Amino acid sequence: DAMVIQNPRYQVTQFGKPVTLSCSQTLNHNVMYWYQQKSSQAPKLLFHYYDKDFNNEADTPDNFQSRRPNTSFCFLDIRSPGLGDAAMYLCATARGNEKLFFGSGTQLSVL
Amino acid sequence: GQQLNQSPQSMFIQEGEDVSMNCTSSSIFNTWLWYKQDPGEGPVLLIALYKAGELTSNGRLTAQFGITRKDSFLNISASIPSDVGIYFCAGQNQGGKLIFGQGTELSVKP
Repeated sequence: DAMVIQNPRYQVTQFGKPVTLSCSQTLNHNVMYWYQQKSSQAPKLLFHYYDKDFNNEADTPDNFQSRRPNTSFCFLDIRSPGLGDAAMYLCATARGNEKLFFGSGTQLSVL
Repeated sequence: GQQLNQSPQSMFIQEGEDVSMNCTSSSIFNTWLWYKQDPGEGPVLLIALYKAGELTSNGRLTAQFGITRKDSFLNISASIPSDVGIYFCAGQNQGGKLIFGQGTELSVKP
């Protein structure tokens, strides 16, 4: 059974049209991460929540925001998607500083 | 910042052959993790290493945490077609964040 669930698997949006990606987990992990992965590259950390504390990476554009309404859910909001934001977006969870478990990802296309 | 060098970038092997890939860093990590990623999917954890010198197996996979804490290798024995994919090493620092290697793309010819 999937433990880190990302919806949708594929998302198509228009240039400049806000889009929200979702992640839920059944592991009761207190840490949730969002990564961006472009083709043939390693995942790149955007930000993470350690419990309710939000931690943004220094080079994450302001265009990317996140919300974590409760332990189980975390959302990635892209306010004005550009063509360069087309990528796979990966959610991961962890218990404290332990190993990360990834979801299957959402492949975002921007037209 | 911390960076990982993963090699080789790609490998083309015959089914049944053994495979070896490694990661090196200029920084020390507390944990080394090895993930496999299939096309269109998220990374799946293969092996986690927690102590310098630790050697851990998972079926046909064996990985070691280097004694200096700056490197790790992954071996796959007797490769099969379903081993195809991209393998990522990742170092985890004390704060829990992962630093990924660039990945090794493995192709297995039946």
